[in-house]
This record gives sequence, C-alpha cells and structure tokens, in this order.
Amino acid sequence: GDSVTQMEGPVTLSEEAFLTINCTYTATGYPSLFWYVQYPGEGLQLLLKATKADDKGSNKGFEATYRKETTSFHLEKGSVQVSDSAVYFCALSPATGANSKLTFGKGITLSVRP
Amino acid sequence: EAGVAQSPRYKIIEKRQSVAFWCNPISGHATLYWYQQILGQGPKLLIQFQNNGVVDDSQLPKDRFSAERLKGVDSTLKIQPAKLEDSAVYLCASSSYSLTGNTEAFFGQGTRLTVV
Repeated sequence: GDSVTQMEGPVTLSEEAFLTINCTYTATGYPSLFWYVQYPGEGLQLLLKATKADDKGSNKGFEATYRKETTSFHLEKGSVQVSDSAVYFCALSPATGANSKLTFGKGITLSVRP
Repeated sequence: EAGVAQSPRYKIIEKRQSVAFWCNPISGHATLYWYQQILGQGPKLLIQFQNNGVVDDSQLPKDRFSAERLKGVDSTLKIQPAKLEDSAVYLCASSSYSLTGNTEAFFGQGTRLTVV
C-alpha cells in the first residue's frame, strides 16, 4: 500500500538557518503530494502541494519539488524564523477518483531558537 | 468562512466505556474524513464519507468503532467499548468535490481522547 517516510526528528535550528526536511514515498501511479503543518495549539493546515512530477509547491518561503525519479518531496526553506516552529507532516493522496484519503508520514518537530 | 468544528476538545474515559465525537464540516463540503492520530505518529484515515455514503472504511475497527453522517452534513464517530490503545487525537476534515476530484482537505482542531 501507499506509504510516506519522513526523516527522524526533532530538528532544532537557529533563526535564519537553512532548513531541509526529507520525505520519500511509495505509491502506485502519480499521487498528489502535500506538506501539512501543525502550529502549537492549532489544527493541521496545508502548507503546500504538488500534483504532478517536477511541480514545485511553495508558500510562506517554503518550497518542495515533486521528484518522480527519486520518489521524494523534500521541504526546504532558506531562512527559518522562530514562528516556523511547528510539526511538519508529509502526505500523499491518490491522483484521481473519489477516494482522496491522505496517507501521512510520522511528522517531524521543528524548533527554531532566536 | 467558518472552519471545521469538532467537539468536545478533550475527553477522558475509563476503558470499556463508550464515547462519541461530533464534527460539523465546512458548509458545502461533500467529503468528510475522520482520522486517528496516535502520539508520535501521523494521522491515519478511519473513514471517508462522500455526502452520506461511505467511500473508504477499510481501517475502521468495526467491532468497536462506528460512524455516521446523516443528511450528508454533520458526522459522529463512536467508540464502544473503548480500549487503552484508543487514546489519540481524533481529527475531522472536510473537502469539496468536483468532477476533477477532491480539493484541499481542511482539518478541525481535533478531540483528544484519553482512555484510563
């Protein structure tokens, strides 16, 4: 079945540091790929997405590129802020059809110190 | 626009008791999901509704869990009887549906269940 593997955490960075969070997936066909974020005390919210190979999703300075050849969707940000401290989840859903369930990775906690 | 509403936010029950969670999706969203998130893991789909029909309940432990979505709007998820391993956050999400598929899923804040 479909699965998502995220790098082990937690991750602690200093403000303005470069961030990379690795994500690889196993799925049939061409799934859609997502990064969700959960800020302290809040619900899950979509950060960015990509729906086909070589697409780049971007939002709030974060980027991720859909790499079919390496089945990866790594999240990057050039300069993190304290406000980026949160839990980040990589996820996928089937490309088409009524069943659009999300399969999530385990999540990784990012802490950014001033 | 109002988001996905869930209640209660927290619940503590003893094992073998029953519990119910309620979800009100975003107005007009045809698709509703219930996810279970155990501490340290990502959310796992329990059941997906399209209007009031079930699309996927393959990971719902049907011997103790049940869910319904009457009139294709609100939904309830019930556990009876609860086990210690049911301690988790139960997330409800909704999305709209078109001929090209489902749009982005919006999540509620979840119900944190502790079974003691």
